[in-house]
Amino acid sequence: KAGVTQTPRYLIKTRGQQVTLSCSPISGHRSVSWYQQTPGQGLQFLFEYFSETQRNKGNFPGRFSGRQFSNSRSEMNVSTLELGDSALYLCASSAGPGSNTEAFFGQGTRLTVV
Amino acid sequence: AQSVTQLGSHVSVSEGALVLLRCNYSSSVPPYLFWYVQYPNQGLQLLLKYTTGATLVKGINGFEAEFKKSETSFHLTKPSAHMSDAAEYFCAVSDPSFQKLVFGTGTRLLVSP
Repeated sequence: KAGVTQTPRYLIKTRGQQVTLSCSPISGHRSVSWYQQTPGQGLQFLFEYFSETQRNKGNFPGRFSGRQFSNSRSEMNVSTLELGDSALYLCASSAGPGSNTEAFFGQGTRLTVV
Repeated sequence: AQSVTQLGSHVSVSEGALVLLRCNYSSSVPPYLFWYVQYPNQGLQLLLKYTTGATLVKGINGFEAEFKKSETSFHLTKPSAHMSDAAEYFCAVSDPSFQKLVFGTGTRLLVSP
């Protein structure tokens, strides 16, 4: 069974640009969550999607957005990139929306903003 | 609101010694509690979780944790450290209704020969 796949693994962007990150969950999983990991702030929750609906959103500016498709794949978008957006972005998939179902993490996309 | 405090950003042990990583949580609802491990340039791997029932939880790689409601703690232990245990460990809490994990700041475990 394939794990959670995040693409690309590494990305370098310039301030002011926008970026789209992709996450393909484990087959059969319908819940996808996104996290930002930085040395200063640690791991912070961005959003949670289940069956194409955003169920929960973290405390991030509106420049951060996401969506989920009918095949459960998810994308997150960051517009008008800032240097502080440099981080490891992690996606987690689970079978259901509650946390009694295990969340499996991908290897992440490392975004560097220059 | 939920929060997690991990005491000690770095813990050093010798191979074969006891590993103890501390985690205290705050939650307004009965929490689910988790320990994850992260190796360099990797995602997070679940070590163990507490949802309901038995308060002593056994996980992978010989790790276990005990949920102590009176102390609001969920410390992670392993009787004998192995070199391969060197990694960063994160404690997390969640509201059972959501797939939103609130993580601690992490503890880097260093294992010396």
